[in-house]
Amino acid sequence: AQSVSQHNHHVILSEAASLELGCNYSYGGTVNLFWYVQYPGQHLQLLLKYFSGDPLVKGIKGFEAEFIKSKFSFNLRKPSVQWSDTAEYFCAVRTNPNFGNEKLTFGTGTRLTIIP
Amino acid sequence: GAVVSQHPSRVICKSGTSVKIECRSLDFQATTMFWYRQFPKQSLMLMATSNEGSKATYEQGVEKDKFLINHASLTLSTLTVTSAHPEDSSFYICSAKGLAGGIHEQYFGPGTRLTVT
Repeated sequence: AQSVSQHNHHVILSEAASLELGCNYSYGGTVNLFWYVQYPGQHLQLLLKYFSGDPLVKGIKGFEAEFIKSKFSFNLRKPSVQWSDTAEYFCAVRTNPNFGNEKLTFGTGTRLTIIP
Repeated sequence: GAVVSQHPSRVICKSGTSVKIECRSLDFQATTMFWYRQFPKQSLMLMATSNEGSKATYEQGVEKDKFLINHASLTLSTLTVTSAHPEDSSFYICSAKGLAGGIHEQYFGPGTRLTVT
């Protein structure tokens, strides 16, 4: 069965620091990759996604992620974080896309705390 | 943008009673709806997938007789927790997949916090 692992459970950074959150998955077939953000008290929002093509994808709010197929990784990055980026971040992998049995599997999440 | 709503946002019920949670896609038609459960400080775990007009497909380990899912229309799915117990207390999140704003994607609701006393 597919799995998604996020290495960092809680990351604390100061404003303007650079961010990289790790995400690795285990699945040998075709996948779609996602990063979601959950601000305190709010619902999940899509930050960015990768389906195919350029492995470096840019999302909203200055976030980007790079798909490295050989490493089964999809790390999230932001060059300079802001206090408003404080939230929970989830990596997710969709297996069997475009088939009837597609499934979106989430990582355990990384809590990001930005110190002003 | 695509909006998915859930009702209620919070519910407290007594052990042994049943609770129904509604999930609606407000501005698009959802061909598929998903129900997730999220424990504190843990990830979202898929409980079941439902397509409009057909029976839900449950994930391994999820009791279909306890978590009744009905996908009656392209904009509404309901999750009923039957004979709820304290261990059913959790955050339940629905997700609807459909075409919204020209993008076919999966959109998430705000979640329902269930507390069973």
